[in-house]
Parts: sequence; structure tokens; C-alpha cells
Amino acid sequence: NAGVTQTPKFQVLKTGQSMTLQCAQDMNHEYMSWYRQDPGMGLRLIHYSVGAGITDQGEVPNGYNVSRSTTEDFPLRLLSAAPSQTSVYFCASSPGGPYSGNTIYFGEGSWLTVV
Amino acid sequence: AQKVTQAQTEISVVEKEDVTLDCVYETRDTTYYLFWYKQPPSGELVFLIRRNSFDEQNEISGRYSWNFQKSTSSFNFTITASQVVDSAVYFCALSEVNTNAGKSTFGDGTTLTVKP
Repeated sequence: NAGVTQTPKFQVLKTGQSMTLQCAQDMNHEYMSWYRQDPGMGLRLIHYSVGAGITDQGEVPNGYNVSRSTTEDFPLRLLSAAPSQTSVYFCASSPGGPYSGNTIYFGEGSWLTVV
Repeated sequence: AQKVTQAQTEISVVEKEDVTLDCVYETRDTTYYLFWYKQPPSGELVFLIRRNSFDEQNEISGRYSWNFQKSTSSFNFTITASQVVDSAVYFCALSEVNTNAGKSTFGDGTTLTVKP
């Protein structure tokens, strides 16, 4: 059981470049989300999705785009990378909808450096 | 708006000592979920516990115990007889009941170092 799979694990980008962080889950979870973790800080929600075709912004959405064309995949796009986007990115999924306190399953993280 | 405060940035103890990690939260909701996660040096996030705001019973799991006090908006985590393998960053998180747990607010974490 693969769980939540993120790729790549490490990436170095130049300022202004674009890239996509991939996230896939094989648990048929409705809910998926992207967080970023900066040094000395907790996770902050970037974008989330409550199901295929539905996405919404989290706490820090600027500079990122997402789409959810299938239940399994939730890619995160950086259109024009900036040094401020240097961070560790975590994708997460969880079953159920609202009123669900179900466990969140996290990917292993993607370390992104923008130079 | 929700907020989670972990006032202890870093804690260092010697093995076998007991240690308590504090978590204080703010929410306007009367029902919510609270979580603790562990992030070891390898970087992954490990789920430890979920608590529904309706349930104020304390919970014990092996060397881990959690004290939830709604009156003081606190959800503290105690490790008894700490071990070197407990060294990690610990995060407290909060989610509203009318959203999914995947939309959680995290504290900034407490870095626990257990020395042999």
C-alpha cells in the first residue's frame, strides 16, 4: 500500500522557473491538501480539495496553483518560483468530508530550494 | 480564526526524565478536533493522537499521555521515562468539525531533544 506519494523529493530551481510537485494517493480519499513547512514553523495550508474538480485556497495560496482532475492526483504548480518559496512541501490526504476528524495521511515531503 | 500556540520552542531532557509539551489553542467553534504529530529527524510526519472536543477524558498510550482541558483551551502531551528515540519535533494541530481534518491549523512545533 503506497499511501501518499510525492515527487520529486528534492528539487533546486532558479528564480522564475516553473515546476510541478506531484502528489498521488491510492486510498480513494476525498480530501487532499498541500502544506508548506518553513524552518522553525509549523505547517501552513496552501490549497486543498474536497473532491475531484473542487479546490480552494488555504492560508498561503499566493504563487501556487492546483487542480484536481482525478481523485488520486493533486499536483501543486509553482508558476514563477521565488526564493520565498524555498520550503518543505507536504501533501496530505484524508477520508471523508466535513464533520470528519479522520486521520491525515502525509506524504514524505518534497524539499524545494529556489536560488 | 483558529490559532495553535506551542510556547516551548525547544526542550532538552536527559533520558528517563518525564517531559510535558504544552499546546494552547483558540477557536470560536464549540466542537473541533485536536491532534498531535511527531516529526523525527528523517522528516516524515507521524500521527500520534486525535481528540474530539466532546471528549475530555485523558488518554494514555504506553509512555505517552494527553491531558485535554477545555476550560483552559489546552491539550498537553506528556512523555514518561523519555528515550533518545523520542527526540523529534512535535506539532499540535486543530481542525474545525465542520471541515475535514485535512484543513488543520498547526502550531509552530516543539523540538524535543533527549540526551542519553
